[in-house]
Amino acid sequence: AQSVTQLGSHVSVSEGALVLLRCNYSSSVPPYLFWYVQYPNQGLQLLLKYTSAATLVKGINGFEAEFKKSETSFHLTKPSAHMSDAAEYFCAVSDRGSSNTGKLIFGQGTTLQVKP
Amino acid sequence: DADVTQTPRNRITKTGKRIMLECSQTKGHDRMYWYRQDPGLGLRLIYYSFDVKDINKGEISDGYSVSRQAQAKFSLSLESAIPNQTALYFCATSDISGGGDTQYFGPGTRLTVL
Repeated sequence: AQSVTQLGSHVSVSEGALVLLRCNYSSSVPPYLFWYVQYPNQGLQLLLKYTSAATLVKGINGFEAEFKKSETSFHLTKPSAHMSDAAEYFCAVSDRGSSNTGKLIFGQGTTLQVKP
Repeated sequence: DADVTQTPRNRITKTGKRIMLECSQTKGHDRMYWYRQDPGLGLRLIYYSFDVKDINKGEISDGYSVSRQAQAKFSLSLESAIPNQTALYFCATSDISGGGDTQYFGPGTRLTVL
C-alpha cells in the first residue's frame, strides 16, 4: 500500500529565502507523485507531478521537486519565496498497484508562512 | 467557467438532518472522487466512481452515500449528519487515459454540523 509523510506541519521562511517542503513516500510499485497547493478558501491546484520521466520536475510559480528513489523522497523547493506563496501544500501519491484506482493518497499538509 | 463546480459552497445544518452535496464537471472525465479535509489530516477519500455504474467505497465511507447521476454529476449524501462530519469536502475528477492520474479539484464545500 502507498503512503505519504510530510515532515513539518508548519514552515516559516522570510521573503526571498529558499523554500523547502519535505515529502517522503512509501510505494510497492513505481510511484506517481504530486504536489498540490491550496490557497485560503480555494480548492487544490496542481503544482507539479512526477510520472517516471525526468527525476527533476518543474512546476508552476517557480517550484520544482526532485524524485529520489534511494531516499524515497519528493521534496518541493523554490529558490526565492514570495509573499504570494503563503498557502498549504500537499504531497500525494497515486494508487497504481494491482487495483490501479488512480485515487490519491495525501500527506497531512504543510502550511507555508512567508514573512516580509 | 470552472471545470469542476460544487454546490453549495457553505452549509450549516443540524445533527440528524439529511444533506446532499453536489458536484458537476465539464472536463469529460470518467473518474470522480469525493474527499474530506480535516486540519492536520490532509484529504481522505470517501467514495470514488469510474463511471455511472461503477461506484466504490474509499477509506472513510461510513455515514456517507453517493450517487452518480451522469458522467458529469456525482453527489455525496449524509443521511443523518453528525457533528464529526463537520469538514471541508472536495470533489475531484481524473482521466488516466493519457497517463499520470492527475486529479482536478472543485472549490470545496464547507459543511458545519451543529
